[in-house]
Amino acid sequence: AQKITQTQPGMFVQEKEAVTLDCTYDTSDPSYGLFWYKQPSSGEMIFLIYQGSYDQQNATEGRYSLNFQKARKSANLVISASQLGDSAMYFCAMREYITGNQFYFGTGTSLTVIP
Amino acid sequence: GAVVSQHPSRVICKSGTSVKIECRSLDFQATTMFWYRQFPKQSLMLMATSNEGSKATYEQGVEKDKFLINHASLTLSTLTVTSAHPEDSSFYICSARDPRGAEAEAFFGQGTRLTVV
Repeated sequence: AQKITQTQPGMFVQEKEAVTLDCTYDTSDPSYGLFWYKQPSSGEMIFLIYQGSYDQQNATEGRYSLNFQKARKSANLVISASQLGDSAMYFCAMREYITGNQFYFGTGTSLTVIP
Repeated sequence: GAVVSQHPSRVICKSGTSVKIECRSLDFQATTMFWYRQFPKQSLMLMATSNEGSKATYEQGVEKDKFLINHASLTLSTLTVTSAHPEDSSFYICSARDPRGAEAEAFFGQGTRLTVV
């Protein structure tokens, strides 16, 4: 079974609008972390935001927030006030801390911000 | 914040030659580093986990004799693609965990785009 599922291969958003990128995960590990990375065309992976499985509050980092719904096993990324520079691939990832610590990545969502 | 540096960023080599890619953690000691491969428009695929002072752990289907990993120090891991073939052309990216981070987040190198001609 897929550990991380991103169902939106491509998304478009108007500049200054908010956009939600979906991510669902599958794990039986009680301790895990959820990550979002941005990958521009240059290829580097830029860490955006982290949510631990035991965190009570949703993580926020500037314009990024993570809508963590543990019971539904979803960890959607919300980008507010989109900017042209936000156009990139976005990957959701999970690390299971008990079973192995390796990263599992989703297939990514390509976000295009329209002026 | 923590920085992971990967070198070279791009390399073109002839078929049959070997290529070495370096991954350095610049301001922290990384006992574990990870090597990924990414095909165009696809996700990152974990190739191996590099452990300082011991043998790397390879994922199923990854040839350990072809992709040699050496983690000789706490700040450096190298991936050597031996006897490269055109099908080895890909984007290779490393990551390292900063153990000081409360969430043990991982940072990624800039990636290496390998083209075998």
